[in-house]
Amino acid sequence: QVTLKESGPVLVKPTETLTLTCTVSGFSLNNPRMGVIWIRQPPGKALEWLAHILPNDEQSSSTSLKSRLTISKDTSKSQVVLTMTDMDPADTATYYCARIRAYYGDGYGLDVWGQGTPVTVSS
Amino acid sequence: EIVLTQSPGTLSLSPGQRATLSCRASQSVDDSYLVWYQQKPGQAPRLLIYGASNRAAGIPDRFRGSGSGTDFTLTISRLESEDFAVYYCQHFDTSPTWTFGLGTKVEVK
Repeated sequence: QVTLKESGPVLVKPTETLTLTCTVSGFSLNNPRMGVIWIRQPPGKALEWLAHILPNDEQSSSTSLKSRLTISKDTSKSQVVLTMTDMDPADTATYYCARIRAYYGDGYGLDVWGQGTPVTVSS
Repeated sequence: EIVLTQSPGTLSLSPGQRATLSCRASQSVDDSYLVWYQQKPGQAPRLLIYGASNRAAGIPDRFRGSGSGTDFTLTISRLESEDFAVYYCQHFDTSPTWTFGLGTKVEVK
């Protein structure tokens, strides 16, 4: 069974750095057809891409947040870590990690999601 | 930057009715990277359709994706009670960027 589970602080203060960990099971982070993505969703709002590690191992992050985001993976621990610096109340959201699956000839889909972890930014 | 515009914002329908959801891209996109998700309150999104028209594993055949270029559609042939939710379209381009629409809420009339 494939699962992803996010972990990290529920509450952070403004200007602090947020570190979130996505622990995966049921597949390998070395799988050439699988990657991992971080997405967030502010309360009552739409989904927003943050950063990813593609199946071909390319890493990237949202242009608007690039200076604040770092994504990395530890294959031996089956973990993908996202750090976001200089947190602001506007960053309050549920943060999800999801598996990127590469479909033969049909692009990518996010086929398995973690349950999400809520993060509140407040002093 | 590609913008995905979903319409309508809210769709009020009764169980058994047909739902037609639209996703329009601001410029022509590669169909291979157009995806649809369903999200219910308090839950993570669920993959429905990838590559514009391919149902993901375990998705009932009442869900159908279609379209190309700039205009894409998700059709739910006969709504069941568990289908009332918010639906998002999403596109990946190789710049790389993942873009989501703002969603269409399908609610009970």
